[in-house]
Amino acid sequence: DAKTTQPPSMDCAEGRAANLPCNHSTISGNEYVYWYRQIHSQGPQYIIHGLKNNETNEMASLIITEDRKSSTLILPHATLRDTAVYYCIVTEGWWGNEKLTFGTGTRLTIIP
Amino acid sequence: EAGVTQFPSHSVIEKGQTVTLRCDPISGHDNLYWYRRVMGKEIKFLLHFVKESKQDESGMPNNRFLAERTGGTYSTLKVQPAELEDSGVYFCASSQEGQRNTEAFFGQGTRLTVV
Repeated sequence: DAKTTQPPSMDCAEGRAANLPCNHSTISGNEYVYWYRQIHSQGPQYIIHGLKNNETNEMASLIITEDRKSSTLILPHATLRDTAVYYCIVTEGWWGNEKLTFGTGTRLTIIP
Repeated sequence: EAGVTQFPSHSVIEKGQTVTLRCDPISGHDNLYWYRRVMGKEIKFLLHFVKESKQDESGMPNNRFLAERTGGTYSTLKVQPAELEDSGVYFCASSQEGQRNTEAFFGQGTRLTVV
């Protein structure tokens, strides 16, 4: 699986959009970009994933660059409950081998 | 619908003892995964079941760890004998089989402390 690079920490004001970048310059054509987060002492939580098109769900939006070498997770209106460590994971996700490789992630702190 | 449940939530045992962790996946999920985070390190994959079969156990650290999933429902992870370096949080996750690129649902984890 391709490696990812994320900033170790970020702050965002409550109510603002939080934009979390991720570099995955060695991503291959059949690899997906997944985002998970871990709120303190809870299990990781799925947020969103995509292949090459931008994606949006009730939690967030995922913007993937045209060359697929980087992506941005957007939390449109951050709340204090969004304080967590966010993981960008690239994986093939084909049947039978869907293990996730967690890196160090970005610790996002929402400031009141 | 119940999520992934893990038992116990916390366990404190002495070095050399045996501990068994249990994971109940979401009903109908054939994929079951075990991960762990040891102190100060990243979350690491341990193994993957598809139903009762071990699909990938490349992350199991050594033969003191034994995972089972009899009948393809719940799974257990036994550590025998436990060592100090086994302390950490053990997570279980499940996902549906037969669907590419589905999300994995994680349990709350079992915090294991070996003293």
